[in-house]
Amino acid sequence: KQEVTQIPAALSVPEGENLVLNCSFTDSAIYNLQWFRQDPGKGLTSLLLIQSSQREQTSGRLNASLDKSSGRSTLYIAASQPGDSATYLCAVRPGGFKTIFGAGTRLFVKA
Amino acid sequence: GAVVSQHPSWVICKSGTSVKIECRSLDFQATTMFWYRQFPKQSLMLMATSNEGSKATYEQGVEKDKFLINHASLTLSTLTVTSAHPEDSSFYICSAIETSAGELFFGEGSRLTVL
Repeated sequence: KQEVTQIPAALSVPEGENLVLNCSFTDSAIYNLQWFRQDPGKGLTSLLLIQSSQREQTSGRLNASLDKSSGRSTLYIAASQPGDSATYLCAVRPGGFKTIFGAGTRLFVKA
Repeated sequence: GAVVSQHPSWVICKSGTSVKIECRSLDFQATTMFWYRQFPKQSLMLMATSNEGSKATYEQGVEKDKFLINHASLTLSTLTVTSAHPEDSSFYICSAIETSAGELFFGEGSRLTVL
């Protein structure tokens, strides 16, 4: 059974710092992995999608990597800003249509 | 990215009434949509998988007679909370898979409060 774990559960950093959010999954047989952002009281916004054949994806200040063999993905945020404060969720799609979510990392960027 | 629209964004109703929430994929066709429930400061809980033209698949422990799901077209799925009670108050979110890349997109969520 696929399980997704995110570390740390919460993180507080000063503005401008580079940071890394970690995601691990137990079964390396995945179709894709997706990172989302959720603001309080809102739905989820897709940040990056990494297909199983890919190693990383980049969008602006965000970079996500995927290492299937070790069951890990990282989300790197460069030059963090207060507007980056949100909960970040990692989601793994094993195959079929269902997606398994981690519990999320709550990020607070201090001005 | 693709857009999934959810309506209403918030609704207040009296106990015993039914409430319908709509989820639309605006710029792509979605044969499969998902409905989640989220409690404060918790992660998403998958309630059911909605399949266009067929019956929804409910997760264990979710009452299918209370949470009616209809996926009548490739762009619309609805969740009806029947005979709502205060314990049904929650944040409900839908999502849809954009099949070309397999990317999952979410609606904005609907906050239901049952008085």
